[in-house]
Amino acid sequence: SAVISQKPSRDICQRGTSLTIQCQVDSQVTMMFWYRQQPGQSLTLIATANQGSEATYESGFVIDKFPISRPNLTFSTLTVSNMSPEDSSIYLCSVEVGSYNEQFFGPGTRLTVL
Amino acid sequence: AQTVTQSQPEMSVQEAETVTLSCTYDTSESDYYLFWYKQPPSRQMILVIRQEAYKQQNATENRFSVNFQKAAKSFSLKISDSQLGDAAMYFCALGNTNAGKSTFGDGTTLTVKP
Repeated sequence: SAVISQKPSRDICQRGTSLTIQCQVDSQVTMMFWYRQQPGQSLTLIATANQGSEATYESGFVIDKFPISRPNLTFSTLTVSNMSPEDSSIYLCSVEVGSYNEQFFGPGTRLTVL
Repeated sequence: AQTVTQSQPEMSVQEAETVTLSCTYDTSESDYYLFWYKQPPSRQMILVIRQEAYKQQNATENRFSVNFQKAAKSFSLKISDSQLGDAAMYFCALGNTNAGKSTFGDGTTLTVKP
């Protein structure tokens, strides 16, 4: 298993600004994922972040808008750049641990953009 | 491409009763894993149960069990003796090593009535 923490837990930001979300894992993991979720809705994968390589973005998400860093095997950041109200959502970090592709999730960052 | 379909956006069950959540999937892989995740309101997503595709025996975790029909590509979750704490959004997910990431369904919101 893995214990994941995220900072901040929530934030209210102004349009046009940027927010960096941190994800810390209590063990070394190869694959980390960043998701977006509207309350009560499904998960939308933003990107996969592997240590030592560029993040792989899903269709509809670009690096300029959501730059990701993965400096080591226990940490990653996701930046939401030039925010608009449409970016208001819950952002989740998750990691894949073990031999069965199980994912463990962080508690999420609730972002509101005014 | 992998797909996961949860056809029941919402379900409800009386406390102490049994409820079954449906999930169908599609994949071209022969070796894969299936999961049910639980996301309580405003709380962290957690793994409920896992099934390896090569195992014929249905997985069971206390009050949670699955009905895995490989030929039909069906993977339902049965919750017995439902408790108020079971109220949550449940996600069915499909993973395999080649894909490197899991595919999630749209979720089913379960309400437990006292």
